[in-house]
Amino acid sequence: SQQGEEDPQALSIQEGENATMNCSYKTSINNLQWYRQNSGRGLVHLILIRSNEREKHSGRLRVTLDTSKKSSSLLITASRAADTASYFCATDGGGKLIFGQGTELSVKP
Amino acid sequence: GAGVSQSPRYKVAKRGQDVALRCDPISGHVSLFWYQQALGQGPEFLTYFQNEAQLDKSGLPSDRFFAERPEGSVSTLKIQRTQQEDSAVYLCASSWQLSTDTQYFGPGTRLTVL
Repeated sequence: SQQGEEDPQALSIQEGENATMNCSYKTSINNLQWYRQNSGRGLVHLILIRSNEREKHSGRLRVTLDTSKKSSSLLITASRAADTASYFCATDGGGKLIFGQGTELSVKP
Repeated sequence: GAGVSQSPRYKVAKRGQDVALRCDPISGHVSLFWYQQALGQGPEFLTYFQNEAQLDKSGLPSDRFFAERPEGSVSTLKIQRTQQEDSAVYLCASSWQLSTDTQYFGPGTRLTVL
């Protein structure tokens, strides 16, 4: 069973636009992570935000965490065609990662 | 440095055959994880090793699935008497020390059971 739900399931934008993906989860967490998966490839770790943090930045990525609402969002600014991929949030379930179903992002040049 | 590697990258098996999937973690990483990813879904946890000890196998779907890491480095996931529902991508990940450290994933093995 999966912990979280991502919203939207699919997102199509033009290059240069911002992309926002949301993740909701069910149980209390120590941290929440975002991963990217290009078609047919493994997962690449993007960013980790701890439960006592509210916002974190890494390059064009901005992640927020609201533990009271059990939700997180990933913002990709100034998107590029190379950002086309599936994005997953994952929560720490006693060491193992519990993933959502992912958001499929398509960035059109 | 080298990342996590998995072999084979693709495996086609006839229903009822046994398969073995290999994972080479990043050198020195203590923790190793196996996940199963069905088409269009997020990965689901199968099992976790700390060195050679299998600390959690709660995600293994049946007793046909078996994983080992005898020397605390390379790991093998074995599936006996494969069924069509076993068709998925099997991902291996490793992390430096604690299971809560960032996990680094391999490219996965895509298993198709006919």
